[in-house]
Amino acid sequence: KNEVEQSPQNLTAQEGEFITINCSYSVGISALHWLQQHPGGGIVSLFMLSSGKKKHGRLIATINIQEKHSSLHITASHPRDSAVYICAVRLYGQNFVFGPGTRLSVLP
Amino acid sequence: EPEVTQTPSHQVTQMGQEVILRCVPISNHLYFYWYRQILGQKVEFLVSFYNNEISEKSEIFDDQFSVERPDGSNFTLKIRSTKLEDSAMYFCASSVRENTGELFFGEGSRLTVL
Repeated sequence: KNEVEQSPQNLTAQEGEFITINCSYSVGISALHWLQQHPGGGIVSLFMLSSGKKKHGRLIATINIQEKHSSLHITASHPRDSAVYICAVRLYGQNFVFGPGTRLSVLP
Repeated sequence: EPEVTQTPSHQVTQMGQEVILRCVPISNHLYFYWYRQILGQKVEFLVSFYNNEISEKSEIFDDQFSVERPDGSNFTLKIRSTKLEDSAMYFCASSVRENTGELFFGEGSRLTVL
């Protein structure tokens, strides 16, 4: 059974800090998604990765397929980055397995 | 910017009633999904839909649930005879491609079963 784990579960940072959220999974996947869930509940896709590294603004996502591990980095964090960050893996096919999320609070 | 829209945003229903949640995916997308998030828990995959048929479904998606695309734009999730444990946020998503397609989510429909 594929499990997706994230660490840390909760994270509080000061504005401007560099943040790393980790995701690990246990079986082969076709892609990994990083999602942001706003306090109101809406979900936004940040990245989709199948290899290597992607960057968008202050966000960077990396994946190591051999180690079954991905990281999401936020540089120069800001209070508006406060949200739940979810790692979701796409199994071969259409099924997804979601991680439990990492709740990030960035204090001004 | 194109977006996935869902209605209603919140529905309250009595146990045993039928509920239909509606989604309008992005127009050029081909793959459609329903997910569920019970309050305080992980998001869970329910079903994927492609070419007018279910392509994959989870263990959660039992006979109580059904999906259809009644016209060229709407994608619906029907829950027959709702149970208390069906109370959750239901998210619709779409993507243009299968394994390499980015997911676009709707804002969700919150279902409360009393």
